[in-house]
Amino acid sequence: EVQLLESGGGLVQPGGSLRVSCAASGFTFSNYVVSWVRQAPGKGLEWVSAISSSGSSTYYTDSVKGRFTISRDNSKNTLYLQMNSLTAEDTAIYYCAKLHWGPARYFDYWGQGTLVTVSS
Amino acid sequence: QSVLTQPPSVSAAPGQKVTISCSGSSSNIGNNYVSWYQQLPGTAPKLLIYDNNKRPSGIPDRFSGSKSGTSATLGITGLQTGDEADYYCGTWDSVLNAGVFGGGTKLTVL
Repeated sequence: EVQLLESGGGLVQPGGSLRVSCAASGFTFSNYVVSWVRQAPGKGLEWVSAISSSGSSTYYTDSVKGRFTISRDNSKNTLYLQMNSLTAEDTAIYYCAKLHWGPARYFDYWGQGTLVTVSS
Repeated sequence: QSVLTQPPSVSAAPGQKVTISCSGSSSNIGNNYVSWYQQLPGTAPKLLIYDNNKRPSGIPDRFSGSKSGTSATLGITGLQTGDEADYYCGTWDSVLNAGVFGGGTKLTVL
């Protein structure tokens, strides 16, 4: 059974940094693209970032480029998102998702999410 | 403002059918496959439809998807109260080189 378990969320001050993690199990993590999707309180889904299976290619939505860094440790089956220069607009539940990467691209498995709150 | 456009809400009675539209452009829906996600209250999203019209294992055939040009549609027949949820369309945008979602549609089963 595929499982994705996020951790590391919490309260951080504006301008601060936070790293969230996602522990994967139930599939060969090193073979798949994985991604972060966030959801602000009461709002819709927003794709944030994705990383190739080897980690050599990364993708970001414009609003986080230069501030967020996605990475992975295939030896630990873990995905990370380092978030710097945080603002209130980054407040959201951050979901880790396995991303099917082919002619079709879709999120076939999701974690339960971790809440990041940016506030003074 | 979401890249893909969905109606904010739809409603129908139990047992009836409802459709949810998703409109995009040539850089996203027009040239890429569409997926749909169901988010029940207080839970994470779940894949409902992929490759425009395919259902993952375990998704009942009451759920269907279609695509035409730069628009896609999710259909749900035999509505049940348990179908009350937010539904999102998604795809890849080839110009943005990014994943994109619709703003979500809240389904109410009256």
